[in-house]
Amino acid sequence: SQKIEQNSEALNIQEGKTATLTCNYTNYSPAYLQWYRQDPGRGPVFLLLIRENEKEKRKERLKVTFDTTLKQSLFHITASQPADSATYLCALAYNQGGKLIFGQGTELSVKP
Amino acid sequence: DVKVTQSSRYLVKRTGEKVFLECVQDMDHENMFWYRQDPGLGLRLIYFSYDVKMKEKGDIPEGYSVSREKKERFSLILESASTNQTSMYLCASSLFQGPDEQYFGPGTRLTVT
Repeated sequence: SQKIEQNSEALNIQEGKTATLTCNYTNYSPAYLQWYRQDPGRGPVFLLLIRENEKEKRKERLKVTFDTTLKQSLFHITASQPADSATYLCALAYNQGGKLIFGQGTELSVKP
Repeated sequence: DVKVTQSSRYLVKRTGEKVFLECVQDMDHENMFWYRQDPGLGLRLIYFSYDVKMKEKGDIPEGYSVSREKKERFSLILESASTNQTSMYLCASSLFQGPDEQYFGPGTRLTVT
């Protein structure tokens, strides 16, 4: 079965630095990949979507890359702020039906 | 803004009880989803629905059923609650069946004693 791995350990960085989170998957490549942010006690909030034929997507301070050779997606937050502290989830879809498989999430902590 | 609401934020039930979790979305979305989230396991899909009266099993449907009688409402039913169903339950909706963002509700923290 398909497996998705995100950094299990929390990522601690200094304010102003770039945070880089990793999402690795096994077996076959997904049709598309999404990244969500989740704050404690709340539901996930959608951030970005990248399709299998796209290499990179940007939105303000966020950037997502998708490397089907490495079977990996990287999620970058530039000029990080304490308000970016949250858990970030990657989710993969293997058909056009909208069904997602989520990774466990990586907790990001940005220190002032 | 899309709003997805869930009937309760916190719920405590006893083993063997029948439990109903309600989810309502206000943006005329076609698709609705029920997930559970547990530490170390992430979000796992229980059931989803692409249309009224239509349902499909997700990855962990055992012990659950669903109902979608109206487009805006998707109910998750625990026929006989068990302690291993203690979890955070999250409902989501999306407009398109293809690559589309999912909008999540705030979640229901269910404890079964």
